[in-house]
This record gives sequence, structure tokens and C-alpha cells, in this order.
Amino acid sequence: GAVVSQHPSRVICKSGTSVKIECRSLDFQATTMFWYRQFPKKSLMLMATSNEGSKATYEQGVEKDKFLINHASLTLSTLTVTSAHPEDSSFYICSARDFSGSEEDTQYFGPGTRLTVL
Amino acid sequence: GEDVEQSLFLSVREGDSSVINCTYTDSSSTYLYWYKQEPGAGLQLLTYIFSNMDMKQDQRLTVLLNKKDKHLSLRIADTQTGDSAIYFCAETRHFNKFYFGSGTKLNVKP
Repeated sequence: GAVVSQHPSRVICKSGTSVKIECRSLDFQATTMFWYRQFPKKSLMLMATSNEGSKATYEQGVEKDKFLINHASLTLSTLTVTSAHPEDSSFYICSARDFSGSEEDTQYFGPGTRLTVL
Repeated sequence: GEDVEQSLFLSVREGDSSVINCTYTDSSSTYLYWYKQEPGAGLQLLTYIFSNMDMKQDQRLTVLLNKKDKHLSLRIADTQTGDSAIYFCAETRHFNKFYFGSGTKLNVKP
């Protein structure tokens, strides 16, 4: 199956700093990528849909100025958590859609990034 | 968003079958998925079923879909300790947003 990578896998930062998380599709082009947030023992919450070459679409309740998304190429989307606070600590997972023509619409998920804000 | 519900825990003995259940509310779902998440890792696609199917088998995995009752199940035959993980069901309607259940933590006892 298709491979999606995330970098870094873990990051610890001080409150008030900004953190950038990268999501890459390694062997396919992804015009659409998704960013999810997962709280402990909870399900994934879709934060935003990232479209290559255009602005991201944010879900209700997600602050676009706090979670900046850039999808500059067909294989890379970045999520920047600006002015991070301890409540932003979470597991962030990206996914990418593979429009290779297969019959199912499948999202391939990255391994996730554990963000801890001190 | 759409509601997708799962029981939180399931415990089975190694070698037994596991059945993880999921219910959803959106009757216009097109695809339904099962993902596996191991500790500290991302989601691994296990299998999926199109909404016009009622069963799909893939090696030890069997997916059953009751569209009338909006009920989806995943059966794992001959469950192994390596199957211990959290299993998420998800549905999508417009090939855009995925709606996930809360996840079922499967514990396999030796």
C-alpha cells in the first residue's frame, strides 16, 4: 500500500513557541491531505482538509490562525501549531488520499506526531 | 458530524475469534473501513467494504455489513496476541471526510 510519513515523530516544546509538523506521501501524489488530532483514548477528530495549491478547509471549532496548514506540493503538507500551549499537547495524524484510479477511496495514514507542550 | 459508535473494550483468549461491532447513523455512507492502531502508531488500513456489499472476507478477517440496521462488524479468526490493538471503524460519504468511531481496544490473553 501507499506510504505516508510524518516528521517529527515526537516533539517537546515550550509554551509560546511554534512547531511545524510535516506530512509526506512517499510513493504517490496526494492532491488532498487531512490533518487529525487524537486525544488520549479518544477517536480521531478531523481538523482540516489540505488541498494542494489552495487554502485549507477547517472544521468547525478549529482555529485557522493557530493551526496553519500549507500544502505546497503534491507530496507535502505541513501543519504549524503557532504559540503552542499545554492544551495543544496531543497526537497529530495526517492522511493522504491516493487518486490512483483504484475503486475505493482510501486514506493512508501517517504514523503520527506526539506533541508535548511544557 | 455523523455518529459512529463502538464498544470500548473486548477481551479474548488467543486462538478464539474476536468480533468487534460498530454502528453508524448515516444511511448514505458509501464506504466503511476498519483500521488498526497499535500503541504510539498511526492507523493501518485493515479492510473496507462498499455499502452495496454485505460481506467481505480477507484471510482471517471477515467484515459483515447490515445496511438496514446500520451495523458493521469485524471478525478476526484465530486471534493472536499480535492482534492486540485499538480497532477503529470509519465511514465516508462523499469521498472526503472520514468519520471515526471511538475505537475498540482488543486485548488478547495468551
